[in-house]
Amino acid sequence: KQEVTQIPAALSVPEGENLVLNCSFTDSAIYNLQWFRQDPGKGLTSLLLIQSSQREQTSGRLNASLDKSSGRSTLYIAASQPGDSATYLCAVSGNMLTFGGGTRLMVKP
Amino acid sequence: GAVVSQHPSWVICKSGTSVKIECRSLDFQATTMFWYRQFPKQSLMLMATSNEGSKATYEQGVEKDKFLINHASLTLSTLTVTSAHPEDSSFYICGAGGSGANVLTFGAGSRLTVL
Repeated sequence: KQEVTQIPAALSVPEGENLVLNCSFTDSAIYNLQWFRQDPGKGLTSLLLIQSSQREQTSGRLNASLDKSSGRSTLYIAASQPGDSATYLCAVSGNMLTFGGGTRLMVKP
Repeated sequence: GAVVSQHPSWVICKSGTSVKIECRSLDFQATTMFWYRQFPKQSLMLMATSNEGSKATYEQGVEKDKFLINHASLTLSTLTVTSAHPEDSSFYICGAGGSGANVLTFGAGSRLTVL
C-alpha cells in the first residue's frame, strides 16, 4: 500500500525566503507525482506534474524534483510571497492516487 | 480524522451505458464537494463544484448533461457519467469539505474504463 508523507506539516516564514517542502513515498512504482496548492475552502490547483521518467519540473518560482529510487520529491519555492500562503499537497499516481497530508505554509509580510 | 469513501474503485462498462460514482463523508458533513478527473499522464482537472442542496457549478468544457452531479445530502454526493464512451475512460476523484474547512478530504478515486 502506497504511503505518502509530507514534512513539515506546517511552516511559517518571512516574505522573501526560499523554502523547500518535502514529500516521501513508500512504493517507487509510480506513473507520476503532482504538487498541488489548496487555498482555504477551495479546490486543488495543480502546480507541477513530474512524470516517472523525469527528474524535475519548473514553473516560475517553483521547482519540483523527483528521485523515484529513493521515494522523494521536493518542491522549492523561491523568493516566497504572502500570496504563496496555502496548503501544499503532493500526490503520487500509481494504481491509485495517494495524497500526502499536506504542508500548511504561511508567508508573513 | 476526516474520511471520504469513494465507490466503486474500479468500473468497466460498455459504451452507451451510465455509471454512477458515489462519494461519502463518513465522519463529517461535506457542505462542498469537488469532482476531478485525471487522464493518463495528465494532472487532475476540476470538473465541477457542488454545494449541498444546490446545483453544481461546472468548469468550462465539462458537459453538465453528461456528467450529472447530485449533492442532496451532507454526507453523499454522486457523479453519474451518462451514455459513457471510451473517451470518458479516466480516473475520477472527489474532494469533500466541511463548513469552514481549510483542507479538503479526498476519496481514493474511481478508475472508469469504457469499452
